[in-house]
Amino acid sequence: GQQLNQSPQSMFIQEGEDVSMNCTSSSIFNTWLWYKQEPGEGPVLLIALYKAGELTSNGRLTAQFGITRKDSFLNISASIPSDVGIYFCAGQLPGNQFYFGTGTSLTVIP
Amino acid sequence: KAGVTQTPRYLIKTRGQQVTLSCSPISGHRSVSWYQQTPGQGLQFLFEYFSETQRNKGNFPGRFSGRQFSNSRSEMNVSTLELGDSALYLCASSSGAVNEQFFGPGTRLTVL
Repeated sequence: GQQLNQSPQSMFIQEGEDVSMNCTSSSIFNTWLWYKQEPGEGPVLLIALYKAGELTSNGRLTAQFGITRKDSFLNISASIPSDVGIYFCAGQLPGNQFYFGTGTSLTVIP
Repeated sequence: KAGVTQTPRYLIKTRGQQVTLSCSPISGHRSVSWYQQTPGQGLQFLFEYFSETQRNKGNFPGRFSGRQFSNSRSEMNVSTLELGDSALYLCASSSGAVNEQFFGPGTRLTVL
């Protein structure tokens, strides 16, 4: 199956710091999605990207669809304790199937 | 608008048994996808149903099956359970026209 390489695997940061994570693939995707998952819950959609080069913000979150359509990044500015969770990227190929990254575990130290 | 609902939330079974999980998508959504999530393998795609037809299938054995009803509700069945089937099973719905998937809270299956 398709492989999405997500990095870093985990991050420990101080409250107030900015965070950056990314996903890369050998395949070209039509859509990139970013999710956050908290313990015991399903992933929650944060940002959806549809066009190469697209830059989209959702509050303190900003994500970009890479020009090559093979990568995407997510930035979180001025992190707060409730940002704690696991962040997943997902890419969609033609035909609707989504492939997920392995996740970035974020810990915010107050 | 109500979100994606999954029942039951927790399930304990023993090896060899079978299990059926249920998913009700967001109203108006016609696509339902199922995923298995484990700490070691992450989110693995099982299958997707759209308008009662299986549209995509992941790389899982035939013990894993699903179906979708005319009201878009979907069920997933796992037969002859194995210890390795213990996982969080997530379902996600989308309208089919817009490429965004919304997840339910999942069913935590434990196989003893």
